[in-house]
Amino acid sequence: DIVMTQSPSSLAMSVGQKVTMSCKSSQSLLNSSNQKNYLAWYQQKPGQSPKLLVYFASTRESGVPDRFIGSGSGTDFTLTISSVQAEDLADYFCQQHYSTPPWTFGGGTKLEIK
Amino acid sequence: DVQLQESGPGLVKPSQSLSLTCTVTGYSITSDYAWNWIRQFPGNKLEWMGYISYSGSTSYNPSLKSRISITRDTSKNQFFLQLNSVTTEDTATYYCARAYYGKGYAMDYWGQGTSVTVSS
Repeated sequence: DIVMTQSPSSLAMSVGQKVTMSCKSSQSLLNSSNQKNYLAWYQQKPGQSPKLLVYFASTRESGVPDRFIGSGSGTDFTLTISSVQAEDLADYFCQQHYSTPPWTFGGGTKLEIK
Repeated sequence: DVQLQESGPGLVKPSQSLSLTCTVTGYSITSDYAWNWIRQFPGNKLEWMGYISYSGSTSYNPSLKSRISITRDTSKNQFFLQLNSVTTEDTATYYCARAYYGKGYAMDYWGQGTSVTVSS
């Protein structure tokens, strides 16, 4: 199975600050036939189910604010929140959806707002 | 709008089977997509369990393969999870979710989740 490792496990930021979090995979998620990275990011607010933010590493899901930016390729990926808002308090998970299942998730990054 | 809703018993005894239903409204499960079960353990770890595709084919997490079955009732637009021989390790919140091949099978709609406790 592909192992997904997220860091940091938690972070606390003030409103308006830039937030970056990392996700690394144990093997490349780049599909050479279409040059797409099969990496998704989800946001899970307290008491809610996960919500898709980004797929193919950098394609923002419809309706997701443009302050959420996914980047990276191969085995190293980043989710950036350009100017964090109070409502961004949540856990953030990456997930590889590359090729044949099992699809696997990272352990998550908990974002707290100071 | 697409909605998914999980239902089933909140308490299951060890060694018994866990059975959950996902009812989908706003989209036919036979039209497209893969229809998934994912669980979240206490402590927040997420595990993809398996899916049934719009055509009825299935794919399971090998870690569960001997215990899991995902089926569907197309007349009711529902799909089901059965997990056999449960232990306390299967205590989790169970989610159903839709995955779209056009998004590389990222999961774009999720149910609200149902909590299942395995305990005698």
